[in-house]
Amino acid sequence: DARVTQTPRDKVTEMGQEVTMRCQPILGHNTVFWYRQTMMQGLELLAYFRNRAPLDDSGMPKDRFSAEMPDATLATLKIQPSEPRDSAVYFCASGFRGLAEFFGPGTRLTVL
Amino acid sequence: GNSVTQMEGPVTLSEEAFLTINCTYTATGYPSLFWYVQYPGEGLQLLLKATKADDKGSNKGFEATYRKETTSFHLEKGSVQVSDSAVYFCALPSGGGADGLTFGKGTHLIIQP
Repeated sequence: DARVTQTPRDKVTEMGQEVTMRCQPILGHNTVFWYRQTMMQGLELLAYFRNRAPLDDSGMPKDRFSAEMPDATLATLKIQPSEPRDSAVYFCASGFRGLAEFFGPGTRLTVL
Repeated sequence: GNSVTQMEGPVTLSEEAFLTINCTYTATGYPSLFWYVQYPGEGLQLLLKATKADDKGSNKGFEATYRKETTSFHLEKGSVQVSDSAVYFCALPSGGGADGLTFGKGTHLIIQP
């Protein structure tokens, strides 16, 4: 049963620290998405890749967020420096032809 | 870009009750429409989809019909179970040539035994 995996599942850090979240998409999927979920804003698309190339990161604060896909089995989302307003659940999703069909379990980030 | 509006929750029902969760959309053209479900502590799962007008998506006893006349995609189930308790999201492509989906705010469904 293929799944999207994410690590860590929970992360508590202090303001100003660097945070790196990792995602392993389902093998063979050509599109990978990063979403953020908060109570106030709901689900927001941060960035996505197709065939490992970044296609859109307009949803991310450029000065502190960066997303990469160094190989087909790993996508990363980095926040440096982190701020309390970044506290949220971050989801990775993968699929074909632009459809985020399979979501990972999420990384719950708390920035103190 | 495209947008979606779904009914606010929480929605509380008794077991075996009939369920309707309303969803309406604003979009250019006739995009595919989706319902996702999120169980506590988990990521979203695609529940069902419809790719063109008058299509009916169905899965696990849930159904939704793509109604272009009313720009709606309401989720229904004839007899809910406690295990259906979750948050349900209506979604559609973001539009404007971009990939990715735009999600509604989510409807928290609580089924009481």
